[in-house]
Amino acid sequence: QVQLVQSGSELKKPGASVKVSCKASGYTFTSHAMNWVRQAPGQGLEWLGLINTNTGNPTYAQGFTGRFVFSLDTSVSTAYLQISSLKTEDTAVYYCARFDGALPALDYWGQGTLVSVSS
Amino acid sequence: EIVLTQSPGTLSLSPGERATLSCRASQSVSGSNLAWYQQKPGQASRLLIYGASSRATGIPDRFSGSGSGTDFTLTISRLEPEDFAVYYCQQFGSSPWTFGQGTKVEIK
Repeated sequence: QVQLVQSGSELKKPGASVKVSCKASGYTFTSHAMNWVRQAPGQGLEWLGLINTNTGNPTYAQGFTGRFVFSLDTSVSTAYLQISSLKTEDTAVYYCARFDGALPALDYWGQGTLVSVSS
Repeated sequence: EIVLTQSPGTLSLSPGERATLSCRASQSVSGSNLAWYQQKPGQASRLLIYGASSRATGIPDRFSGSGSGTDFTLTISRLEPEDFAVYYCQQFGSSPWTFGQGTKVEIK
């Protein structure tokens, strides 16, 4: 069965960096793009962008270029989200989600990773 | 970018009642490329509907989606206790793939 398992919660200080991982199993990793979505405390879902797992080409939503970087390690079926120069407003739960282009929709989601940024 | 506006913000209903959730787009969503998701605390979000009206694998038939263009609806015909959650719509018609702000369905 398809599973997306994300790394654990992180507590960081402003200005630091964080790298969130999303390990996929149960399907061919390079067949589906991986999306990243965030949810600030008490807020709704916000699409950050996606990475083509076949080519490694990322697409970032406006406002998420520069400090946000998507990457892959296809040898271990894992996608990564790295955020640099963290700000307190980056505090949120970050989700990875598999994209099925045939639908289209995000058909499987990770459990989320809480990134807390506080001095 | 396409802005999705969901209404109402909160829906207070009893088990067995019908829930009707709206998702309105600021411009036409091409190909009716709109999906609905269910989110519960501490759980991974679940895809309910794609293509505006197609149920995802394993989704009970009490969930149905309809609409096209700028107006979309998710209907839960008879609420079960496990249906009380937050529901989001998302469009794939044009990038960025935006979400609505969510509708919370709570027990009355």
